[in-house]
Amino acid sequence: GAVVSQHPSRVICKSGTSVKIECRSLDFQATTMFWYRQFPKQSLMLMATSNEGSKATYEQGVEKDKFLINHASLTLSTLTVTSAHPEDSSFYICSARISGLAVQTQYFGPGTRLLVL
Amino acid sequence: AQKITQTQPGMFVQEKEAVTLDCTYDTSDQSYGLFWYKQPSSGEMIFLIYQGSYDEQNATEGRYSLNFQKARKSANLVISASQLGDSAMYFCAMREGRNNFNKFYFGSGTKLNVKP
Repeated sequence: GAVVSQHPSRVICKSGTSVKIECRSLDFQATTMFWYRQFPKQSLMLMATSNEGSKATYEQGVEKDKFLINHASLTLSTLTVTSAHPEDSSFYICSARISGLAVQTQYFGPGTRLLVL
Repeated sequence: AQKITQTQPGMFVQEKEAVTLDCTYDTSDQSYGLFWYKQPSSGEMIFLIYQGSYDEQNATEGRYSLNFQKARKSANLVISASQLGDSAMYFCAMREGRNNFNKFYFGSGTKLNVKP
């Protein structure tokens, strides 16, 4: 079946540094990928929709200059948390959907746990 | 208003018994999709079952079935013959419209604990 991978799975960084998270679709081309954020014991919050070859669409309240999204190819989207602070510590999950299939779901990556010290 | 409401923060069920996880939704669209996902402690989101708004039959996938009551706007997940491995967070989600690339709305989740 379709698989989405994320790298790294876990990252610890110092406050003020930038962290890049990669999301790859392994078995299919994904023109659209989605980035979510999940705080402990909470639901998933959509941060942005990443479109290949164009600018990402950010949800209200998400700072686009802080969470940089690049979708340079049909199989790779990256999320860069710039100048990370402790409040950015969270679980970041990407997902991808396949066009033209009867399967309606989105395929999630395994997530990246970010801890900012 | 909340698009997806899950009113059970936590549930306990005895192994081998059935359990129902509640989900209600709010939309004015005629076309929409309803989903259930399982999230174990590892964090991965596992797709369980899908119900389209125009589907007349309740969706079933193995031990999972979706009790779809359109007039009541509810989409409860029924897990039959619970197993210890079913212990996890469960999220109900909705996608409005027909476009598979439309936004998904997630509920707050229900933590299911299966007791031996």
